[in-house]
Amino acid sequence: GENVEQHPSTLSVQEGDSAVIKCTYSDSASNYFPWYKQELGKGPQLIIDIRSNVGEKKDQRIAVTLNKTAKHFSLHITETQPEDSAVYFCAASTPSGGSYIPTFGRGTSLIVHP
Amino acid sequence: DTGVSQDPRHKITKRGQNVTFRCDPISEHNRLYWYRQTLGQGPEFLTYFQNEAQLEKSRLLSDRFSAERPKGSFSTLEIQRTEQGDSAMYLCASSLSSGNTIYFGEGSWLTVV
Repeated sequence: GENVEQHPSTLSVQEGDSAVIKCTYSDSASNYFPWYKQELGKGPQLIIDIRSNVGEKKDQRIAVTLNKTAKHFSLHITETQPEDSAVYFCAASTPSGGSYIPTFGRGTSLIVHP
Repeated sequence: DTGVSQDPRHKITKRGQNVTFRCDPISEHNRLYWYRQTLGQGPEFLTYFQNEAQLEKSRLLSDRFSAERPKGSFSTLEIQRTEQGDSAMYLCASSLSSGNTIYFGEGSWLTVV
């Protein structure tokens, strides 16, 4: 099955700095890569996603890049703000019987210091 | 609020007791997923339904766990003879059959004492 590795496990930055979280996946059949943000005591919320036919996608301060050859993808957050502090999860989805069941990384705890 | 709804949000139970969680998906979504999340880990897939049919189950879903979606709408996840290792957050998610994106609920926290 799919295996997703995520680094770093903890990331501490100053407000206004950029943050980068990196993930690798193992199954070359994976073709959809969502990123989720999880705040304490809540469920994961989708923040951005990318499909395998695209190399980069941007939404305001958030961008994702995908390198299919190397099987890695990254989340970039620019101009970080204290409210960006949360746990971020990457995931890779492999088609399975017509559905896409995401496999998640172990998460990155992002701390933005004011 | 038309998001995924889970109930109860928190449950404390004694070891050996049975517990049941309920999930109401987003109304037009015909796929429903259950995940488990322990502290410091990402969500781990348990099972998913398309309408009322349970199409895939993870090896994590031991025979003490059973999930149902009898009418293709809400789903229940029952854990029988709970063990301390079952303590976790149980997440429900839903999606369209035509879509890749799954949307999570707020989760149900289980503590087995």
